[in-house]
Amino acid sequence: EADIYQTPRYLVIGTGKKITLECSQTMGHDKMYWYQQDPGMELHLIHYSYGVNSTEKGDLSSESTVSRIRTEHFPLTLESARPSHTSQYLCASSEQGASSYEQYFGPGTRLTVT
Amino acid sequence: AQSVAQPEDQVNVAEGNPLTVKCTYSVSGNPYLFWYVQYPNRGLQFLLKYITGDNLVKGSYGFEAEFNKSQTSFHLKKPSALVSDSALYFCAVRDSQTGANNLFFGTGTRLTVIP
Repeated sequence: EADIYQTPRYLVIGTGKKITLECSQTMGHDKMYWYQQDPGMELHLIHYSYGVNSTEKGDLSSESTVSRIRTEHFPLTLESARPSHTSQYLCASSEQGASSYEQYFGPGTRLTVT
Repeated sequence: AQSVAQPEDQVNVAEGNPLTVKCTYSVSGNPYLFWYVQYPNRGLQFLLKYITGDNLVKGSYGFEAEFNKSQTSFHLKKPSALVSDSALYFCAVRDSQTGANNLFFGTGTRLTVIP
């Protein structure tokens, strides 16, 4: 079944640790996104990618980085986690060049940095 | 600038009553509009979209939305609310200016359906 996956779902980690949030999709979509969302609040686009070897910064400045080595995989990395990074991170994907533009979301990773 | 506004942070409605969640938009060119729903500790789920055609768009779970060009609105509606409809609802519009075709999301409206 085509879907979009995120791991881990929940992560509690200490300040200064390096973390990678995983996102994979089996829908064959070229375009992928990362959003940051404080609980019950609006979404902020932090990164997106048009396809392999493409990464772009979103509307909200973020200390995280992303990579896109494979079409289906779009991991997000924080080199040194801080309490201010505590948030929910949502990954999404969409067809590139389609006329509809709707995005499909993963279940999210809730990150807590202590 | 392109944007959507959701003027109500919270909407409460009794079970069985009709519900409306409001959204207004500001875009240059033709608007591509979307509604998403988010349940607790979950990602967003696509409900419906307006691209072109009929102003009344039908979507998942019995929801529909009415596109009104003169009022620049795209309100989400359902004739009879269920307790299970309680969730956070986001309106979104396609970014048609930068060429990125990303979505701009509203600030969200929390719908509570009271049994």
